[in-house]
Amino acid sequence: EDQVTQSPEALRLQEGESSSLNCSYTVSGLRGLFWYRQDPGKGPEFLFTLYSAGEEKEKERLKATLTKKESFLHITAPKPEDSATYLCAVQAKGGGNKLTFGTGTQLKVEL
Amino acid sequence: DTGVSQDPRHKITKRGQNVTFRCDPISEHNRLYWYRQTLGQGPEFLTYFQNEAQLEKSRLLSDRFSAERPKGSFSTLEIQRTEQGDSAMYLCASSLGGQLSGNTIYFGEGSWLTVV
Repeated sequence: EDQVTQSPEALRLQEGESSSLNCSYTVSGLRGLFWYRQDPGKGPEFLFTLYSAGEEKEKERLKATLTKKESFLHITAPKPEDSATYLCAVQAKGGGNKLTFGTGTQLKVEL
Repeated sequence: DTGVSQDPRHKITKRGQNVTFRCDPISEHNRLYWYRQTLGQGPEFLTYFQNEAQLEKSRLLSDRFSAERPKGSFSTLEIQRTEQGDSAMYLCASSLGGQLSGNTIYFGEGSWLTVV
């Protein structure tokens, strides 16, 4: 069974204090690893898809990396508007098209 | 591109009543998904359509839940005889299929269900 574990559960940063969120996964053949951002009361907003180990993608202050066992979401010089829950999900080969999500990391960036 | 649209956004119902949610996917997306999310948890997969065919259902989807996608366009998710444990946010998502790699899956804003 596919599993995704995210850490930490919650993270509090000062504005400008860079950090990383971790997503560990086990899957029977990875088709894709997805990162989403979710604001309270709203649906997940797509950030990145990574397909193979060694791949990296960037968007503004966010950078996602992938190894064979985990993914990191690096946040450089965060701002208060980066405060949200960040969700990681995997899509398995031959597993239909469903995503298996972790429970998320709740990030709060303070002034 | 108007995004994935869900209706209603909020629904409060009494235990035992039936409720129906509607989802309009991004136009031309042939794949449509339903997920359920409770507080502090990630979304859990419920079911998946490719065009009008329901190709996969989670064991989470009890007999009280039914989903349809007539003509491969919008979809409905009906919950019969609601129970308090059904209280959650129901998320619809869509994607454009046809690639060998993972496809970007876009989510709607969700429909909140409260069963009292």
